[in-house]
Amino acid sequence: NAGVTQTPKFQVLKTGQSMTLQCAQDMNHNSMYWYRQDPGMGLRLIYYSASEGTTDKGEVPNGYNVSRLNKREFSLRLESAAPSQTSVYFCASSEGKVGGGYTFGSGTRLTVV
Amino acid sequence: QQPVQSPQAVILREGEDAVINCSSSKALYSVHWYRQKHGEAPVFLMILLKGGEQKGHEKISASFNEKKQQSSLYLTASQLSYSGTYFCGTEIKGSARQLTFGSGTQLTVLP
Repeated sequence: NAGVTQTPKFQVLKTGQSMTLQCAQDMNHNSMYWYRQDPGMGLRLIYYSASEGTTDKGEVPNGYNVSRLNKREFSLRLESAAPSQTSVYFCASSEGKVGGGYTFGSGTRLTVV
Repeated sequence: QQPVQSPQAVILREGEDAVINCSSSKALYSVHWYRQKHGEAPVFLMILLKGGEQKGHEKISASFNEKKQQSSLYLTASQLSYSGTYFCGTEIKGSARQLTFGSGTQLTVLP
């Protein structure tokens, strides 16, 4: 019972570099989400995918792109990393139906220098 | 749109009770509660969907006042394992199904 799997767990980037954060879930959930967590700020939604084939912007989408590759996988791409993107990134999934909670991955700690 | 949580932090002795509040300026469809331990992912505790609904099990429960757009999380006879940061997440009526989280309440239970 893996749940939500994120890779990598840690990453250090130089300003201007690009990278993709990977996320996969094995619970047959319809909806998937990317959040970032900064000290004192709680969790802020970057992008979400209500169902396979759809993606929408959340609260803080600038500087990011996403791809819902299939029902299981939802990736987050930083095209040109900036120090302001230093954060912990969490992927989550849910059934997308009434009454369903979110299951979170273990997170990716990203540092941009 | 971010819900407001209070208090920001609370320190308890084992066996004491605590209440964490969450309020929104928008009409709510649901309220979620999560607990996050240091260095780990948030873990789902419960969801409240209807005004006046109360849910919970054992010593952790929650209520939802739909008219006031408020929810409260009740921790009774706290245990050391209750330590962590508690987040409420709200879904706003009429908007897409997405959660907006509060900034969290750090709960520390001391022996």
